Amino acid sequence: DTGVSQDPRHKITKRGQNVTFRCDPISEHNRLYWYRQTLGQGPEFLTYFQNEAQLEKSRLLSDRFSAERPKGSFSTLEIQRTEQGDSAMYLCAVALGASTYEQYFGPGTRLTVT
Amino acid sequence: KQEVTQIPAALSVPEGENLVLNCSFTDSAIYNLQWFRQDPGKGLTSLLLIQSSQREQTSGRLNASLDKSSGRSTLYIAASQPGDSATYLCALAGQNFVFGPGTRLSVLP
Repeated sequence: DTGVSQDPRHKITKRGQNVTFRCDPISEHNRLYWYRQTLGQGPEFLTYFQNEAQLEKSRLLSDRFSAERPKGSFSTLEIQRTEQGDSAMYLCAVALGASTYEQYFGPGTRLTVT
Repeated sequence: KQEVTQIPAALSVPEGENLVLNCSFTDSAIYNLQWFRQDPGKGLTSLLLIQSSQREQTSGRLNASLDKSSGRSTLYIAASQPGDSATYLCALAGQNFVFGPGTRLSVLP
């Protein structure tokens, strides 16, 4: 058990719809990351929070994507006007401490856009 | 920009063999290197973390080494078992977090 849950585990949506994913760390982790992973590839960094502050966003995070971490605990990732190219596994990871940078991943949300 | 490669892309071995997976990176300014395994359709499970000041880490049948000067890390798996079948990914924490594409390992009974 990594201490990170993600909901939903699977989501099928039609192109053009909005979707929202949630990441819940069990205990307090000051750093939280979102990644996207397509088949046969390693995860690609999307964005990173330190507590409630979003400190970094990848160029992959277009203006259709938005992430929040309102109270420094759980986080949401919303995709507006989904496209077929958004089909992927969306992974959340957390890290403890100020210097270790060791990450622990949730099980992921698999998105399929039809 | 950090680039990470992993060789081989896929590997199939009989049970009991010792094997080495390779990870190469272009920028040695890293905080740490972390090895993960990923089962099909699942999230990533952390195996070993090597801090930038360390040379290696061991956990059970796994041993990971880090050579920043040459931009390389290896993951050594001793006495492989069918349960080791998975994709193995290395990830570097530096300015950003960058993953390699993974090595898909099959251990045959």
